Amino acid sequence: NAGVTQTPKFRILKIGQSMTLQCTQDMNHNYMYWYRQDPGMGLKLIYYSVGAGITDKGEVPNGYNVSRSTTEDFPLRLELAAPSQTSVYFCASSPLGSMYEQYFGPGTRLTVT
Amino acid sequence: GIQVEQSPPDLILQEGANSTLRCNFSDSVNNLQWFHQNPWGQLINLFYIPSGTKQNGRLSATTVATERYSLLYISSSQTTDSGVYFCAYTGNQFYFGTGTSLTVIP
Repeated sequence: NAGVTQTPKFRILKIGQSMTLQCTQDMNHNYMYWYRQDPGMGLKLIYYSVGAGITDKGEVPNGYNVSRSTTEDFPLRLELAAPSQTSVYFCASSPLGSMYEQYFGPGTRLTVT
Repeated sequence: GIQVEQSPPDLILQEGANSTLRCNFSDSVNNLQWFHQNPWGQLINLFYIPSGTKQNGRLSATTVATERYSLLYISSSQTTDSGVYFCAYTGNQFYFGTGTSLTVIP
């Protein structure tokens, strides 16, 4: 199993550009999550999903959108990128009945200039 | 939301030493996790521990939910223990502390 994979690993965006961060898991997990981690800080939850077709907002959803059309994929969309979205983004997944057993991807480092 | 405070913010240990990391919560704890982020950024689940004590090798964790704190013990530390340790309240939402940065020197 590859576990949780994220692409790209690094990206530089100009202010106002858009992009999609990809996240895929091959463990057939129901739950998936997107977090951001700012320098020297813990993670903040952006969005999460409890299954295909179901998404919900986390602590910091503004400026982001998600979709969950399949169990495996949970892309995060940034529209109109802003410098405040410069961060490292982590995707995670966890199995049904064990939502606290999260498996994390390697992260995407995003810089908006 | 829930406030999560971790102490100490930074810790430097000689290899072989023991340490205790603390996590305080602003409200009653129903669910709590400890994570390790290695120097390369990879995040690993250590414990899911809403109450009581769990042990996994040289690491153990104790949560006293009624007093709103959790402790992570690292015994006989190794250089591979270096990184940042986060605790997180996990329920419908996930609230992370700002972490304890641990450096273990040989």
